[in-house]
Amino acid sequence: GAVVSQHPSWVICKSGTSVKIECRSLDFQATTMFWYRQFPKQSLMLMATSNEGSKATYEQGVEKDKFLINHASLTLSTLTVTSAHPEDSSFYICSAASGTGTDTQYFGPGTRLTVL
Amino acid sequence: RKEVEQDPGPFNVPEGATVAFNCTYSNSASQSFFWYRQDCRKEPKLLMSVYSSGNEDGRFTAQLNRASQYISLLIRDSKLSDSATYLCVVNPPRTAGNKLTFGGGTRVLVKP
Repeated sequence: GAVVSQHPSWVICKSGTSVKIECRSLDFQATTMFWYRQFPKQSLMLMATSNEGSKATYEQGVEKDKFLINHASLTLSTLTVTSAHPEDSSFYICSAASGTGTDTQYFGPGTRLTVL
Repeated sequence: RKEVEQDPGPFNVPEGATVAFNCTYSNSASQSFFWYRQDCRKEPKLLMSVYSSGNEDGRFTAQLNRASQYISLLIRDSKLSDSATYLCVVNPPRTAGNKLTFGGGTRVLVKP
């Protein structure tokens, strides 16, 4: 199956700093990438959908100025958590799909963010 | 009402036994359905798609009931390695884009 990587796999940062998470599709071109967040004992919640070369579409309640998404190439999308606060501590997971009409999404291994 | 609802469990299953659980969805126009498996602190992994006619993959059987708007997953001859959280995932109508809606997950614990 298709492989998606994320970096870093975990990060600890101080409150107020910004953290960048990378999501890469390693063996296919990802037209669409999705960013999810998962709090402990809860399910995945979609944060935003990003299409290569265009602005991301954010879900209701997700601050686009706080969670900056860039999808500059067909194999890389980045999520930057700006001015992180302890309540942003979560498991961030990306997924990638090879076409906008494709149902199958391939998930990255996730990034565990802890904000002190 | 949540878009996708699951019994959170846990389902405590003796090794070798059969376990089954359902997931209900609210949007009758939903197009695609999946079961994902998620281990603790790991990403979800696709277990199987769910087809209208029902489908089987080894010890796993998935069924779709559009009239009652639920899908089910049955695991036969449970292994210790089947212990995980099983996520019901629904793809709403294509007009909403290729977005997946996740249920809260059903936790399964297989014990010796």
